[in-house]
Amino acid sequence: QVTLKESGPGILQPSQTLSLTCTFSGFSLSTYGMGVGWIRQPSGKGLEWLANIWWDDDKYYNPSLKNRLTISKDTSNNQAFLKITNVDTADTATYYCARIASYVYYGFDYWGQGVMVTVSS
Amino acid sequence: DVVLTQTPPTSSATIGQSVSISCRSSQSLLDSDGNTYLYWYLQRPSQSPQLLIYLVSKLGSGVPNRFSGSGSGTDFTLKISGVEAEDLGVYYCVQGTHDPRTFGGGTKLELK
Repeated sequence: QVTLKESGPGILQPSQTLSLTCTFSGFSLSTYGMGVGWIRQPSGKGLEWLANIWWDDDKYYNPSLKNRLTISKDTSNNQAFLKITNVDTADTATYYCARIASYVYYGFDYWGQGVMVTVSS
Repeated sequence: DVVLTQTPPTSSATIGQSVSISCRSSQSLLDSDGNTYLYWYLQRPSQSPQLLIYLVSKLGSGVPNRFSGSGSGTDFTLKISGVEAEDLGVYYCVQGTHDPRTFGGGTKLELK
């Protein structure tokens, strides 16, 4: 059974660094064709893709935030991470991690429940 | 970035009615490898999105066959043949052919 769960600070202040963790089970990020992506959704709004990391440690970022994003993984502990530097109120959103699988041609086939992050002074 | 435009933004349906949602891309989504990386997701109220369709028309695992996808190039359609109550929520098309991956603005399906 594949599960993913996001964790994060809940609330942080403008200019701080947001650190998110995705802890997953039921698959390995060392398996060929597997990846984890991060997607966010401001309250009542649409979805925005942020970054992907792959089994071979390839990384892809949304250019609109690229300079502020860092994605990484800890394969042995089944975790993926996302850092966003210099946050502001526009980064307030629910953040999701999702598995990317080659068998569905790199769609996000399993999603976590999401973690709400509020940026406020 | 590729812009995906979904219409209508809101659709009202009765149980059993068939509905179609359109997704139009600003660029062709046909990849050089011959695949078209167009996906459909459903986000039920207060839930995470779930994968319905990948590669334009292939059903995700456990997805009922009342859902179907079609299209090519820049124009795509999701059809629900006989809406059920559990189908209510927001539908998103997503493209993975061009970086960055982009989402459509969503179509909210509600009960009439």
